[in-house]
Amino acid sequence: GQSLEQPSEVTAVEGAIVQINCTYQTSGFYGLSWYQQHDGGAPTFLSYNGLDGLEETGRFSSFLSRSDSYGYLLLQELQMKDSASYFCVLKGGADKLIFGTGTRLQVFP
Amino acid sequence: ETGVTQSPTHLIKTRGQQVTLRCSSQSGHNTVSWYQQALGQGPQFIFQYYREEENGRGNFPPRFSGLQFPNYSSELNVNALELDDSALYLCASRQGDSPLHFGNGTRLTVT
Repeated sequence: GQSLEQPSEVTAVEGAIVQINCTYQTSGFYGLSWYQQHDGGAPTFLSYNGLDGLEETGRFSSFLSRSDSYGYLLLQELQMKDSASYFCVLKGGADKLIFGTGTRLQVFP
Repeated sequence: ETGVTQSPTHLIKTRGQQVTLRCSSQSGHNTVSWYQQALGQGPQFIFQYYREEENGRGNFPPRFSGLQFPNYSSELNVNALELDDSALYLCASRQGDSPLHFGNGTRLTVT
């Protein structure tokens, strides 16, 4: 089967850097994505890694190591509005996207 | 461009009843998928439609069914509702391999 693990909660202060880790198990790998979801809102796409290495999009970066079945999302210069849940999402076979259980990030002033 | 819209936003049903949830995909997006999100959990993949045919399904029983129409709209039907079906149901659309665009969901409560 396919599964993902990520921490349930992370806290940080404004201006800090935070890293959210994700480990996964899958028989077929087609990419790892990250989505953000504010309370009561829709998940929105942040980043995608199809190959090993770092992808940077503004304050957010995502890293993938396929040999370690591991990825992370790095958020820099944290802002209060970054308080949300963050999901790593595995693209397995048959166009199926598997969401992790999510990491709730709380940013404090 | 219009985003993904879902209706209704909230719905209350009784156990055993049937429900139809609706989604209007983003224009040009030929792939739509549906997810169930229980409180405090990540979205769980229900199924996906591409050009009006189901081409992927998660671990959900047959009483969860769907339709996709040529105008990019789609439906999720759930028969014989159970209390555990209470959740946020999310519709997402995309074109090709582009990222998913989610709607704000329908909050279903089964009593």
